[in-house]
Amino acid sequence: AQKVTQAQTEISVVEKEDVTLDCVYETRDTTYYLFWYKQPPSGELVFLIRRNSFDEQNEISGRYSWNFQKSTSSFNFTITASQVVDSAVYFCALIRNNAGNMLTFGGGTRLMVKP
Amino acid sequence: DAGITQSPRHKVTETGTPVTLRCHQTENHRYMYWYRQDPGHGLRLIHYSYGVKDTDKGEVSDGYSVSRSKTEDFLLTLESATSSQTSVYFCAIRETGSPLHFGNGTRLTVT
Repeated sequence: AQKVTQAQTEISVVEKEDVTLDCVYETRDTTYYLFWYKQPPSGELVFLIRRNSFDEQNEISGRYSWNFQKSTSSFNFTITASQVVDSAVYFCALIRNNAGNMLTFGGGTRLMVKP
Repeated sequence: DAGITQSPRHKVTETGTPVTLRCHQTENHRYMYWYRQDPGHGLRLIHYSYGVKDTDKGEVSDGYSVSRSKTEDFLLTLESATSSQTSVYFCAIRETGSPLHFGNGTRLTVT
């Protein structure tokens, strides 16, 4: 069985603050993939990043960065200098072996960035 | 946007009636999925397909059936809708080695 936990259900920050969204996962597989998706108020689900279990290198994309640590089974997402447009629900997800079987989602973290 | 179209986008139906939601893709991806999204539960997998006529159950499959007679179409059927099936339904597609891409969702209300 696999499980993804996003303990923070809601976070509120003021614009330009940095914010980290936590994601902790459980899996017995040695090969797996982790994802982050963004769901803005308009409702669509937008893919942000995929990371495989053999690549612990952190990644940065503009104001976004991701910290993958297998030792703590965590895949945290940091937004630097947050903006109002970052307001959304963010989901962390896990799939085993990159196969066709189920992608398991965490419960999501609602981020509110206030001007 | 990945070529995924969900129809209808909104539907209101009465308890006990059958409902079919359609997901159509133009990407020729192998895998297709149906998820439901409910407050406090995130996204939960209902059914998925790994090829034409090849489907399997997800974690919340009770009360739902699916069919995939063509690569491009994946249908989700509620044989007899219940109020607990009021939700937002998302279809997703995926090819081996790629992430899931989602449709825009269908908001279903069962009264």
